[in-house]
Amino acid sequence: AQKVTQAQTEISVVEKEDVTLDCVYETRDTTYYLFWYKQPPSGELVFLIRRNSFDEQNEISGRYSWNFQKSTSSFNFTITASQVVDSAVYFCALSERKAAGNKLTFGGGTRVLVKP
Amino acid sequence: DSGVTQTPKHLITATGQRVTLRCSPRSGDLSVYWYQQSLDQGLQFLIQYYNGEERAKGNILERFSAQQFPDLHSELNLSSLELGDSALYFCASSPGTYTDTQYFGPGTRLTVL
Repeated sequence: AQKVTQAQTEISVVEKEDVTLDCVYETRDTTYYLFWYKQPPSGELVFLIRRNSFDEQNEISGRYSWNFQKSTSSFNFTITASQVVDSAVYFCALSERKAAGNKLTFGGGTRVLVKP
Repeated sequence: DSGVTQTPKHLITATGQRVTLRCSPRSGDLSVYWYQQSLDQGLQFLIQYYNGEERAKGNILERFSAQQFPDLHSELNLSSLELGDSALYFCASSPGTYTDTQYFGPGTRLTVL
């Protein structure tokens, strides 16, 4: 069965510090997709990135970067030079190609608090 | 703004009652998904519809049901409500049915008193 673990429940940093969020997943499928979503205090879920299991290239988007390592089943997310607006709960999620439909299995989330 | 709309934004009701949550997907999306977010269970997949047909089912209680209409909007019906059903209910949509990115609506916060 698929599973996503975000071991860090809460991280507190001071503005401009870097913060790395860990995500470890379990799946028996060879083709799968990994996602990160952001849930700001307003409550909505905002899509950040999607990565398929065959693409292990790291990705950078502005201050955000993602490190996918299939060997360790990890898909970590780094925010560089954090800002107060980055304060949110971040969720890692997994979907399997072989599963019926397209359900997302979410990790428990990591709350990031950026203090000014 | 994801383009997915959900109504109502908030809902307060009593135990034993029945409520209907409504979702309109992004223009062109054929799949609609429902998720429940609660403090003890986290974010849980409930059900997926694709072009009017049920495609996948998750941890959805028998008291809950959903459907997708010909215009592709979807409704989630929750009946015989219990205190533990209090949660944030999200709808998401995607173009197809497999592996597409899901875009989430703002959610409906249900409070059962």
